[in-house]
Amino acid sequence: AQSVTQLGSHVSVSEGALVLLRCNYSSSVPPYLFWYVQYPNQGLQLLLKYTTGATLVKGINGFEAEFKKSETSFHLTKPSAHMSDAAEYFCAVSEPGNTPLVFGKGTRLSVIA
Amino acid sequence: DAGVIQSPRHEVTEMGQEVTLRCKPISGHDYLFWYRQTMMRGLELLIYFNNNVPIDDSGMPEDRFSAKMPNASFSTLKIQPSEPRDSAVYFCASSPTGLNEKLFFGSGTQLSVL
Repeated sequence: AQSVTQLGSHVSVSEGALVLLRCNYSSSVPPYLFWYVQYPNQGLQLLLKYTTGATLVKGINGFEAEFKKSETSFHLTKPSAHMSDAAEYFCAVSEPGNTPLVFGKGTRLSVIA
Repeated sequence: DAGVIQSPRHEVTEMGQEVTLRCKPISGHDYLFWYRQTMMRGLELLIYFNNNVPIDDSGMPEDRFSAKMPNASFSTLKIQPSEPRDSAVYFCASSPTGLNEKLFFGSGTQLSVL
C-alpha cells in the first residue's frame, strides 16, 4: 500500500526566503503525486500534480515540485515566500488505476515578516 | 459554480447524540468522498461513492458511522451515537472523473462532541 511522509509538521520562513516542504512517498508502482494547500477555515485546494512525463511540475502561486524516483521524493518549493503563502500543505500519493489518494499529515507553513 | 457545499460549518453536540453532516457536490461530478481530519491521524478517507453507489467504506471507523448518497446532488454522513473521540473536521470532496483526479473540497464541518 502506498504512503506519504511529510518531514516537519511546522516550517517557518521569512518573507522573501526560499520555501522547501519535504515529501517522501512509498509506492509499489510508479505513483501519481499531488500537493494540496489548505488555508484557514477552508477546504483543500490542488496546487500541482505529477502523473507522467516531465519530472518538474509547476503549479499555482509560483510553487513547483520535482519528482525524484531515486529518492522517492516530491518536495515542494517556491523561490520567494509571501505572507499569503501561510497555510497547511499536504502531499498525497495514489497509484494509477483509479485508486484513492493517500494524504500525508501535513506541514504548516508560517511566513514571518 | 458554488463549489462543494457542506453544512453545518460547526456542530457541537453531547456524547450519545446523533449527528448528521451534509454535502452537496459539484454538479456533474461522478465521485464523492468523505474525509476526516484530526491532529493525530491527519486526513483519512472514510468512504467514497461513484455515481451514488458506495464503493469503498473500509475507512469508516465503526458501525456508528454510516453514509448515504440518495441522489447525485446530496450525501450525508451520520454518527450515531456520537463519542468525544469523533471530534474532528469532516470534509466532503467531489471529483469529475476519477479517484486520482483533482479533488474539489468543501469547507468542512468542525464537529465537537462533549
